[in-house]
Amino acid sequence: DGGITQSPKYLFRKEGQNVTLSCEQNLNHDAMYWYRQDPGQGLRLIYYSQIVNDFQKGDIAEGYSVSREKKESFPLTVTSAQKNPTAFYLCASSSGIGGAKNIQYFGAGTRLSVL
Amino acid sequence: GQSLEQPSEVTAVEGAIVQINCTYQTSGFYGLSWYQQHDGGAPTFLSYNALDGLEETGRFSSFLSRSDSYGYLLLQELQMKDSASYFCAVREQGGKLIFGQGTELSVKP
Repeated sequence: DGGITQSPKYLFRKEGQNVTLSCEQNLNHDAMYWYRQDPGQGLRLIYYSQIVNDFQKGDIAEGYSVSREKKESFPLTVTSAQKNPTAFYLCASSSGIGGAKNIQYFGAGTRLSVL
Repeated sequence: GQSLEQPSEVTAVEGAIVQINCTYQTSGFYGLSWYQQHDGGAPTFLSYNALDGLEETGRFSSFLSRSDSYGYLLLQELQMKDSASYFCAVREQGGKLIFGQGTELSVKP
């Protein structure tokens, strides 16, 4: 079945530690996105990528980094510089950011907590 | 600045009709989308309006008025499974989506 797989489902980070969240899609989509969701809040864009080896900062990129070495993979690293990382992280993909509707398909998310 | 406003929560009874409003103020506008998210789950796409008017998809309809910077999602024949959070999202130039803070819909028996 086609879809987006995020792992792990739950992740714990120690102070000063970098952690990486995985996102893989087999939908053959060009565009991929990372969002952060805090309780009772909407989705805020962290980073997005329209094509392999290219990505742009979203609204809250500070303390995060990404790579896009393969079309199907878009991992997110939460660095020690992110002082408040506890949140629900959602990865999404779409066939192209320029598409008329830009329908985004989401993974099941990773819930990150700080120990 | 960019902002989208939705009611934080709405309650309705099974079988009823409910309307969730969304007003927006963004630097660019290319369409309004609606997504549904069940508790702790993945958001899923419901509908999209680029032009003024009503779009109908089964029990769900979405409306847009570009001149009023306003849209709404209409859910008919409410079912318990419709209890979820609903997000409006504006599509900006370049294709990015800016999401509202979401409306939590509770459907009561």
